Amino acid sequence: DSGVTQTPKHLITATGQRVTLRCSPRSGDLSVYWYQQSLDQGLQFLIQYYNGEERAKGNILERFSAQQFPDLHSELNLSSLELGDSALYFCASSVDGISSYEQYFGPGTRLTVT
Amino acid sequence: GENVEQHPSTLSVQEGDSAVIKCTYSDSASNYFPWYKQELGKRPQLIIDIRSNVGEKKDQRIAVTLNKTAKHFSLHITETQPEDSAVYFCAASMNDYKLSFGAGTTVTVRA
Repeated sequence: DSGVTQTPKHLITATGQRVTLRCSPRSGDLSVYWYQQSLDQGLQFLIQYYNGEERAKGNILERFSAQQFPDLHSELNLSSLELGDSALYFCASSVDGISSYEQYFGPGTRLTVT
Repeated sequence: GENVEQHPSTLSVQEGDSAVIKCTYSDSASNYFPWYKQELGKRPQLIIDIRSNVGEKKDQRIAVTLNKTAKHFSLHITETQPEDSAVYFCAASMNDYKLSFGAGTTVTVRA
């Protein structure tokens, strides 16, 4: 157990819908990262937050957005869902992403778009 | 952006033998290289990492080596056991801390 929690574990929804994935980092970690894992694209970095502020952006679609709240939990919002958005979405956290590089992953949310 | 290539994509070894996975990266500014192990349906788990100011790091049966000049790094698992069977991912990170992952290596340890 990494100490990173994610909810829900599984999500099944229809095309065109919107969903919210939630992540709580390890106690004391200020940085949160979101990754998408699919069979054809592998593990792809989406976005990073540090202490409430967006720090880095990767291959995140405009239909996707994220935020980190004052209590440091983060949410990833996926809208206008397409079949191709079906994937495992992981959240990871690190102490600060400045002096400490280690990222610890949560158990993931499996999203199925039908 | 950073591009990480990983080889081989699959690796089958006899229990007790060694396994070696190699990765190359494209950006010489990358300075952090972690390795993750992922079992089916589970989260990627950090097993070892190395920074660019170190050439080799060992942790029991696992070791990682880094060649900055050639821009490649490798994972070595000695005395493999059935529980080592999993998908292994290498990754590289520059100062922006986001991880760029290799495509993964499926390791199967035959009893």
